Amino acid sequence: DAKTTQPTSMDCAEGRAANLPCNHSTISGNEYVYWYRQIHSQGPQYIIHGLKNNETNEMASLIITEDRKSSTLILPHATLRDTAVYYCFSITNTGNQFYFGTGTSLTVIP
Amino acid sequence: EPEVTQTPSHQVTQMGQEVILRCVPISNHLYFYWYRQILGQKVEFLVSFYNNEISEKSEIFDDQFSVERPDGSNFTLKIRSTKLEDSAMYFCASSEKRQPQHFGDGTRLSIL
Repeated sequence: DAKTTQPTSMDCAEGRAANLPCNHSTISGNEYVYWYRQIHSQGPQYIIHGLKNNETNEMASLIITEDRKSSTLILPHATLRDTAVYYCFSITNTGNQFYFGTGTSLTVIP
Repeated sequence: EPEVTQTPSHQVTQMGQEVILRCVPISNHLYFYWYRQILGQKVEFLVSFYNNEISEKSEIFDDQFSVERPDGSNFTLKIRSTKLEDSAMYFCASSEKRQPQHFGDGTRLSIL
């Protein structure tokens, strides 16, 4: 599975959009981009995934660049409860395990 | 919304004792996983389980660890003889296909 890199930390004002970037420059054609988050003391929570098209669900939007070498997770109206560590992964549909890095620690500021 | 449930939320065990951590995956899921997170460190993959057998395991998952699906609803992780360094949060996850995995809120294991 391709390696991903993310900024260590970010701040976002409450009510504003949080844009979390992820680089996956070595992603292969059959690897999906997945986003999870971990709120303190809880289990990782699935957010969204995509292959090459942009995706949106009730939690977030995922924008994948045309060359698929990077993506951005967008939380459209961040709330204090969105403060968490956000993890980006690239993995095939037959992959068994997520390799958790350090992720991006997002702090939503009142 | 269905969720993965783990019991107990906190387990305290004497070093050298056996411990069993329990998980109830989401009911129609076929793939099951255990991860652990030592305090302040990354989440680490331990093992994946499908069709009543281990499909992949990490170097952490040595002979002291075993997994079982004893009935149609539970998925367990057993640590045979616990060590101090086994103290961690243990997360169970399940998935209908391999992805996406849905995680429980974990069991905090404290070894004394």
